[in-house]
Amino acid sequence: DAGVTQSPTHLIKTRGQQVTLRCSPKSGHDTVSWYQQALGQGPQFIFQYYEEEERQRGNFPDRFSGHQFPNYSSELNVNALLLGDSALYLCASSSQGGNTIYFGEGSWLTVV
Amino acid sequence: GEDVEQSLFLSVREGDSSVINCTYTDSSSTSLYWYKQEPGAGLQLLTYIFSNMDMKQDQRLTVLLNKKDKHLSLRIADTQTGDSAIYFCAVLGVSGTYKYIFGTGTRLKVLA
Repeated sequence: DAGVTQSPTHLIKTRGQQVTLRCSPKSGHDTVSWYQQALGQGPQFIFQYYEEEERQRGNFPDRFSGHQFPNYSSELNVNALLLGDSALYLCASSSQGGNTIYFGEGSWLTVV
Repeated sequence: GEDVEQSLFLSVREGDSSVINCTYTDSSSTSLYWYKQEPGAGLQLLTYIFSNMDMKQDQRLTVLLNKKDKHLSLRIADTQTGDSAIYFCAVLGVSGTYKYIFGTGTRLKVLA
């Protein structure tokens, strides 16, 4: 049984570019959340998707957007990248009504 | 606002018990979690406790919750070198919110 899978694992982008990160939830899960973890910090909630809609959003600018597909997989898009966007981006999945989330290994984004 | 605080470092000798502490501000938190993060990896769920419980034991792990003081602790018995990692406390907030609030993590170093 595959857990939460994310791609790519590492990537380097230039300031001003756009990036798309992908996530497949754990089997049986229908809810996907995205978190940003800067170096030396705890994860910060970006947003959560359920039934292909953004259900809740954290304190992140509109440059951060997402999408959930009918198969429950999800994408995180970041436009106009800033140096400060360099971080580990974690995807977490859960089932509706479940209050425990399971994380993927993350995508390391470096903006230069 | 919601906040979760942890001490930054803890060093113990192999075989001793480790106690990692966490305080939080949101008294309406419904469930509280401990995650482990090893270098370059995602977050691994260790254990969790619901807010109507005081204690939970799971093999070498014991979680204590003091709701009056808004204090959560994780005790690891017979600590091993493989337990060296960063440990994050996280709380799930009030009903109707889906985001986890994470602490900044406690780096546990186990000395052989």
